[in-house]
Amino acid sequence: QQQVKQSPQSLIVQKGGISIINCAYENTAFDYFPWYQQFPGKGPALLIAIRPDVSEKKEGRFTISFNKSAKQFSLHIMDSQPGDSATYFCAASNSNYQLIWGAGTKLIIKP
Amino acid sequence: EADIYQTPRYLVIGTGKKITLECSQTMGHDKMYWYQQDPGMELHLIHYSYGVNSTEKGDLSSESTVSRIRTEHFPLTLESARPSHTSQYLCASSPHGGFNSPLHFGNGTRLTVT
Repeated sequence: QQQVKQSPQSLIVQKGGISIINCAYENTAFDYFPWYQQFPGKGPALLIAIRPDVSEKKEGRFTISFNKSAKQFSLHIMDSQPGDSATYFCAASNSNYQLIWGAGTKLIIKP
Repeated sequence: EADIYQTPRYLVIGTGKKITLECSQTMGHDKMYWYQQDPGMELHLIHYSYGVNSTEKGDLSSESTVSRIRTEHFPLTLESARPSHTSQYLCASSPHGGFNSPLHFGNGTRLTVT
C-alpha cells in the first residue's frame, strides 16, 4: 500500500515531442504528489507538485495530470528539449510528510 | 546553486573500516534526511531528523547511525563497512514538513566498499 509504481523505466523522445511518465499508487491517504528531476552527478531537484484537489497543474512546458479515482498521476513534458534529458522521479507523501518514491524514469531527448 | 554540501563525493574503502559521510546545509532548515539511491531503484529513506538532538530511522533497515548536534550538520556513520553498503548516499533538507516544502538535495556521496 505504500508503493508508488512508475513507468516506463526508460524513455526516448525526439526533440519537440511530448514526454509522458506515469505513476500509480494505492494508498488513498497520500495527499501530496511531487515530481523530481535528477541530472547525472547531481541530487534530485523539485520540478513540480500537485495536491489531489486539482486535476491538473502546469508550469511552463511541464504539466502534472492527476486522476484521483484511478489513483494515477502523470508528468507531461511538452516540446521536449535535449536539456530535459534526466531521470525523473514521482513521489507521494503520507500523513507524516515522508515521501514514498517511484523507481525513476530515465528520459533521453534525441536532437 | 547547492546550499547543501556532501563530502566526500566519492569514497572507496575496504571492508571493516569505519566511515563518516558529511552533510552540511546553510539554509537553516530544521529537517534533514539521508537517502540511499541505487540505479533503477526508488530512493529509500534511511535516517531523518526534525531538529537538533532529534534523529529517527527511516523505512530502510540500515546499520548506519546519525547525529544532529548542530542545525546545519547531519553526519552519517558506518561503524564497519561491508560490500553491501556500496551505494549512493544522498543528504537532503527541508524547512518544514507538509505541502510546498521541497527537499533540497546535496550531490551525493558514492560509496564503494571492497
